[in-house]
Amino acid sequence: DAGVTQSPTHLIKTRGQQVTLRCSPISGHKSVSWYQQVLGQGPQFIFQYYEKEERGRGNFPDRFSARQFPNYSSELNVNALLLGDSALYLCASSRDQMFHQPQHFGDGTRLSIL
Amino acid sequence: AQKITQTQPGMFVQEKEAVTLDCTYDTSDPSYGLFWYKQPSSGEMIFLIYQGSYDQQNATEGRYSLNFQKARKSANLVISASQLGDSAMYFCAMSAMDSNYQLIWGAGTKLIIKP
Repeated sequence: DAGVTQSPTHLIKTRGQQVTLRCSPISGHKSVSWYQQVLGQGPQFIFQYYEKEERGRGNFPDRFSARQFPNYSSELNVNALLLGDSALYLCASSRDQMFHQPQHFGDGTRLSIL
Repeated sequence: AQKITQTQPGMFVQEKEAVTLDCTYDTSDPSYGLFWYKQPSSGEMIFLIYQGSYDQQNATEGRYSLNFQKARKSANLVISASQLGDSAMYFCAMSAMDSNYQLIWGAGTKLIIKP
C-alpha cells in the first residue's frame, strides 16, 4: 500500500504570496494532521481533521487554514506568507482519532520564503 | 498541560553498542499513548514504536524497545546493537484525549553512531 504522499516536495515563494500544500493519506485512514517543523526543532501541531471535520487547531494565526475532502485527502493553505513561515510542513494520517493510533507521515513539503 | 521533555540534545555512540534515549512526559489524562519517531537528515518522519498507558509490558519492535516506567513518567527508547544507519534525530511524542489526540513533541535527540 502507498504511504502518505505530499505535494509539492519543495516550494519557493515570496513574502505576501499564498500557498497550497496537498496530502493524500494512507488508504483506509480517515484522520489527517498537519505539522510545521522549523529547522532544529520538533514539529508543531497546526490542524487535525477527522471524517472531514476539523477536530483540532494549534496555536497558528488565521492565515493558516485547511480542509479535508470526501476521499480524505487534505489541503493546507497559508495566506500572506511571512519569512517565518519557512519550514518543513508534514502531513500525517492515522486510521482514526484515538490515542493508541500511530500517525504515519509523508516526506513533507519544504517551503522557503524569500 | 501536557509536555514531553528530552534532555539529551545530542549523543555519540560507538557502532554495535546499545543506546538509551531519554523521554519524560507530563499529563493528567489516564489514557495516553507514547510514540518514538526517527527523522533522518532527509527529513521524513519514521514511526518506530508505541506504548500505551495501560500496557503492562514494555513495547518491543526488532532492535527497538521502550523502557516504560509509568510512576516516573518516563518512556526511554533503547536501541540495541546500533548501526551507522541509526544516525538521525529521534523524537518522543505523546497523544491523549485531553489534547484532542494531537501529537505533543519533545525537542528531539540527535544521535550519531561512530564507526
